[in-house]
Amino acid sequence: EVQLVESGGGLVQPGGSLRLSCAASGFTFSSSWMHWVRQAPGKGPVCVSHINKEATSTYYADSVKGRFTISRDNAKNTVYLQMNSLRADDTAVYYCANEGLRDWGQGTLVTVSS
Amino acid sequence: QSALTQPASVSGSPGQSITISCTGTSNDIGFYNYVSWYQQHPGKAPKLMIHDATYRPSGVSNRFSGSKSGNTASLTISGLQAEDEADYYCSSFTSSGTWVFGGGTKLTVL
Repeated sequence: EVQLVESGGGLVQPGGSLRLSCAASGFTFSSSWMHWVRQAPGKGPVCVSHINKEATSTYYADSVKGRFTISRDNAKNTVYLQMNSLRADDTAVYYCANEGLRDWGQGTLVTVSS
Repeated sequence: QSALTQPASVSGSPGQSITISCTGTSNDIGFYNYVSWYQQHPGKAPKLMIHDATYRPSGVSNRFSGSKSGNTASLTISGLQAEDEADYYCSSFTSSGTWVFGGGTKLTVL
């Protein structure tokens, strides 16, 4: 059974930082592109970032470029999202998903507020 | 890239069939068959219901079916049941190398 478990969300002040983690199991992690998708309250999902299998290629949405960094550790079956210079409009549930956005974790809530 | 266009809401009675449309462009739905549909109940993560435009993952009811024509994809749910009431999102791979989603459709089972 595929499991994706996100952690690291919480309440942070504008300008602050958070590091999200996503622990994967039940599939061959090292063979899967991995994605971070966020969903603001009442809105549709938006792809924020993705990383290829070897961590040699990454993508960032324009809204997070220069502030967020995706990385992965294939030995630990974990993908990360380092989020810096957080803004109020980054408030959302952040999900990790495997290749093709087939399986999703339960999400972790990030709230940016003073 | 712009979000895909879905109706905000649809409704149907138990046992009926409904169809949700998803309109994109020649840079996403019209170019690839990589169209997916997700079901999302309140407070839950999206669940994949259709992938590659027409394929159901193992375990998804055959009451759910997908189709695609040109720049528009569709999700049809037949034999509506109360538990089908949820938000539904379409998504497509794009020529930019990422995925774009629709704004979502709220399905109400009357």
